[in-house]
Amino acid sequence: GENVEQHPSTLSVQEGDSAVIKCTYSDSASNYFPWYKQELGKRPQLIIDIRSNVGEKKDQRIAVTLNKTAKHFSLHITETQPEDSAVYFCAASIHKGNGGAQKLVFGQGTRLTINP
Amino acid sequence: DVKVTQSSRYLVKRTGEKVFLECVQDMDHENMFWYRQDPGLGLRLIYFSYDVKMKEKGDIPEGYSVSREKKERFSLILESASTNQTSMYLCASSHSGTSVRYFGAGTRLSVL
Repeated sequence: GENVEQHPSTLSVQEGDSAVIKCTYSDSASNYFPWYKQELGKRPQLIIDIRSNVGEKKDQRIAVTLNKTAKHFSLHITETQPEDSAVYFCAASIHKGNGGAQKLVFGQGTRLTINP
Repeated sequence: DVKVTQSSRYLVKRTGEKVFLECVQDMDHENMFWYRQDPGLGLRLIYFSYDVKMKEKGDIPEGYSVSREKKERFSLILESASTNQTSMYLCASSHSGTSVRYFGAGTRLSVL
């Protein structure tokens, strides 16, 4: 089955600097890669996702890149702000689009701390 | 706005007790999931359901069972709670054919 490895487990950056979190996956059939953000005491929420037919996707200060050949994808946060402090989870799945439950496999999580 | 509600935020139970964790969603989602969240291990899938009365084992089903009698409600059952089941439990739902998960706020269960 699919296995997702996420690094680093903790990351501390100065406010205004960039942060990068990396994930690798094992199943070459995986085609959907979301990122979830979980603020302290709150529920995980989807912040950005990418499908395997594109190599990069941006949404304001966050971007995700995908390298299908190497089977890894990364989350990039630029101009970090205190509200970016959270635990971030990557995930991978095989999205078939024909109904049914798509099984997401999550990484171990990265605790990002933004220092003022 | 999707709402996934878990009945308890905190729960303390004793070893050997039968424990019920309840989850309700209000978006008519076909799929519902139970995850366990432990530091350094991420979110691990316990069970999921893609329809009423249907259930599938996830990656760590041992010691757990589930019930889905109504579309909006998905229950996680610990038949005989053990200390190694102390954890944060997250319920989630999704629309059929999509992978986007909508999570509940979580239940922190302590088994003493």
